[in-house]
Amino acid sequence: GEDVEQSLFLSVREGDSSVINCTYTDSSSTYLYWYKQEPGAGLQLLTYIFSNMDMKQDQRLTVLLNKKDKHLSLRIADTQTGDSAIYFCAEHGSSNTGKLIFGQGTTLQVKP
Amino acid sequence: NAGVTQTPKFQVLKTGQSMTLQCAQDMNHNSMYWYRQDPGMGLRLIYYSASEGTTDKGEVPNGYNVSRLNKREFSLRLESAAPSQTSVYFCASNPQWGYEKLFFGSGTQLSVL
Repeated sequence: GEDVEQSLFLSVREGDSSVINCTYTDSSSTYLYWYKQEPGAGLQLLTYIFSNMDMKQDQRLTVLLNKKDKHLSLRIADTQTGDSAIYFCAEHGSSNTGKLIFGQGTTLQVKP
Repeated sequence: NAGVTQTPKFQVLKTGQSMTLQCAQDMNHNSMYWYRQDPGMGLRLIYYSASEGTTDKGEVPNGYNVSRLNKREFSLRLESAAPSQTSVYFCASNPQWGYEKLFFGSGTQLSVL
């Protein structure tokens, strides 16, 4: 079935780069997404990548997509304490019903 | 511009009680969703409404009902709450079906005792 897997926790020091990884099962997804959830808040769309792209860069964020291995990663350069949050990877379900399948979320802890 | 507004923010129910979670968006979005978030399980889709006048079941619809009252409002009802429904509930809206740049509300934390 459709599934999205992420590691649950990542801890980095301020100024370092963070890399959050995700694997997914549905190769027909048109877009893949990264959402960010700050404490006590709803999710907000951070970035996304179209499935025919290998990489997308947006300021400090770099998304890498390996379709062969069904692997998606989010790199945050120069990680700041304000980046501490839960990061969710998401893909479309295969029937394109508008349903997003979310991973479990990776908690990023940034130490000063 | 308020975005997606959910009420209430917190609620405690006893087993068997009923309640309705309210959601409204002011962005003129066609699609709306209800998700629940449980520790270690990510978000799971309960129900969604692709457009005004339509609703469909998501991944975990049992024990819930929804109403798309108009384009702005999408409510979630628990008819007889159970402890397994203790969760954080998020409403979301989407301007374009098939291109899921969802906008989320701030959530309702529900405890069923």
